[in-house]
Amino acid sequence: EIVLTQSPGTLSLSPGERATLSCRASQTVANNYLAWYQQTPGQAPRLLIFGASNRATGIPDRFSGSGSGADFTLTITRLEPEDFAVYYCQQYGSSPPFTFGQGTKLEIK
Amino acid sequence: EVQLVESGGGLVKPGGSLRLSCAASGFTFRVFTMNWVRQTPGKGLEWVASISGGSDFIYHADSLKGRFTISRDNAKNSLYLQMSSLRGEDTGVYYCARGGSTGSYYRDWGQGTLVTVSS
Repeated sequence: EIVLTQSPGTLSLSPGERATLSCRASQTVANNYLAWYQQTPGQAPRLLIFGASNRATGIPDRFSGSGSGADFTLTITRLEPEDFAVYYCQQYGSSPPFTFGQGTKLEIK
Repeated sequence: EVQLVESGGGLVKPGGSLRLSCAASGFTFRVFTMNWVRQTPGKGLEWVASISGGSDFIYHADSLKGRFTISRDNAKNSLYLQMSSLRGEDTGVYYCARGGSTGSYYRDWGQGTLVTVSS
């Protein structure tokens, strides 16, 4: 089973700043099959990025994903108030189980 | 518009059973792999089970095998999760999620249904 470790656990930034979130896998993620999700309180997760760098439908271009192998990054440029949430990475690179990271909480400084 | 609406959650005693349902609309249900994902206080987000469009491929998390069973009825555009021998650590929100076109990510999610296992 691939273990995903996200860092930092909490990130405190101000609106307008740039956020960089990390997701590190315990082994190579096949085909760079890595997704990112955003979850706000009381809501279901929302798909942001799939295939490491492909934005899902309707996701603003201030969200971008990068990385390969076992190291991946989600970058949010020019933070908007609605971006403060918890972010999860998920790998789906091989046969199940398709595992999630523990999450990074992005909070307003 | 894609809609996934879960139902069937509630309070159940340890050792009990529940059947969750997910009603899907807004897309061609039979084409897509469907999934159950849960969010628990102990483990966070956790994949539970997946089933392909024609039910040819069915996977369950090893830790849940034998207790949980995923199924679907394409004629009714519905997904199910039969849960038995429930434990306290199964307490959480259970989400129905539509799989991606190019892999096993989760492109659409329902609002979730809360399962509480407690005496």
